[in-house]
Amino acid sequence: NAGVMQNPRHLVRRRGQEARLRCSPMKGHSHVYWYRQLPEEGLKFMVYLQKENIIDESGMPKERFSAEFPKEGPSILRIQQVVRGDSAAYFCASSQGRLNQPQHFGDGTRLSIL
Amino acid sequence: GEDVEQSLFLSVREGDSSVINCTYTDSSSTYLYWYKQEPGAGLQLLTYIFSNMDMKQDQRLTVLLNKKDKHLSLRIADTQTGDSAIYFCAESDISGNTGKLIFGQGTTLQVKP
Repeated sequence: NAGVMQNPRHLVRRRGQEARLRCSPMKGHSHVYWYRQLPEEGLKFMVYLQKENIIDESGMPKERFSAEFPKEGPSILRIQQVVRGDSAAYFCASSQGRLNQPQHFGDGTRLSIL
Repeated sequence: GEDVEQSLFLSVREGDSSVINCTYTDSSSTYLYWYKQEPGAGLQLLTYIFSNMDMKQDQRLTVLLNKKDKHLSLRIADTQTGDSAIYFCAESDISGNTGKLIFGQGTTLQVKP
């Protein structure tokens, strides 16, 4: 499967634990975007990264959330000390370019906080 | 800031045409996208159009853009039960130079046999 790969598909955490969500972009894509979808809502932008650089994190909460896209390996979205309100579907998308290339999405990680 | 609005629900009979509407606010040139989301799945890119175009057709899908009114529509001809899903309209943030997508709330399409 040459598409965007996200894992895990489902993740259950207790309040206060850490959640790590992984995203491997499509082959040849160096631009990664993370979005969050709350129940019954559309997707909201969180962060945009290129290899080893965070380009725009304007949609990410200032505390507890961080993202990285290392030179080797997948992009990681990390949520520390999770709370009930973090329960959502988190989607990763990748593209070949920033402005005139379409974004292709993974199947998402459904995060549930107990 | 940019905003994208969609109607929430559309119900059609199998074989009819479906038209899903979307309005956006960005006044600069932009790319506009239609994605399909089936239950429990990710977003599937259906089609996209640049804002200097009026129309794009791809098999059963026709996208119409009225740039003056900032109105975008997706027409699905001969709608099938497999077309039942949530359809998202999205605008690309070209003015911010990041390409991040701004999504509408999604339109749930129900196709009755």
